[in-house]
Amino acid sequence: AQSVTQLGSHVSVSEGALVLLRCNYSSSVPPYLFWYVQYPNQGLQLLLKYTSAATLVKGINGFEAEFKKSETSFHLTKPSAHMSDAAEYFCAVSRGGSNYKLTFGKGTLLTVNP
Amino acid sequence: NAGVTQTPKFRVLKTGQSMTLLCAQDMNHEYMYWYRQDPGMGLRLIHYSVGEGTTAKGEVPDGYNVSRLKKQNFLLGLESAAPSQTSVYFCASSSRFGANEKLFFGSGTQLSVL
Repeated sequence: AQSVTQLGSHVSVSEGALVLLRCNYSSSVPPYLFWYVQYPNQGLQLLLKYTSAATLVKGINGFEAEFKKSETSFHLTKPSAHMSDAAEYFCAVSRGGSNYKLTFGKGTLLTVNP
Repeated sequence: NAGVTQTPKFRVLKTGQSMTLLCAQDMNHEYMYWYRQDPGMGLRLIHYSVGEGTTAKGEVPDGYNVSRLKKQNFLLGLESAAPSQTSVYFCASSSRFGANEKLFFGSGTQLSVL
């Protein structure tokens, strides 16, 4: 079975500060890992995904995530938060050959203070 | 550039009423999905479809039915709505059915069952 745990349901940072959103996964086989972002009143959009090509993955809007197998983690970071980054962020894990096994975390709400 | 369109955006039902949610995509995607999003629960897959005329159960299918009569449309039905079905419903689509494929999401339908 696979699962994903997002540490912290709510993270608050100041504008310009580092953003760190934590995600740990469990999977019996090498996983595919994703970060999706949901802006208010919108659907989810893909930020980035890990598919074993490189452990450091760069996504849109200056976000990146590092796959650490030893820690079973895939934390999302951004060096300098912007007000427009305020949203809910979801980590997701998939394995095998079918999308329907995509398992989402419970989400982390990011607020950015001026 | 519509992508995935969901109608309606909001709906209030009384217990026992029925309704159908419509999802339409204009990207010629083969695969479509219905998710529900509940606070603190992340997204959970209700049903999915791997092509016109085919559907399959996801993680939480009870109380819902789906149909995929046309490739671009995926309908989610509630035959007898219950308060437990109060949720935000998201439709998604993808071009391929692989573990590392990106999902494209609609903007959601907020459903309240009284």
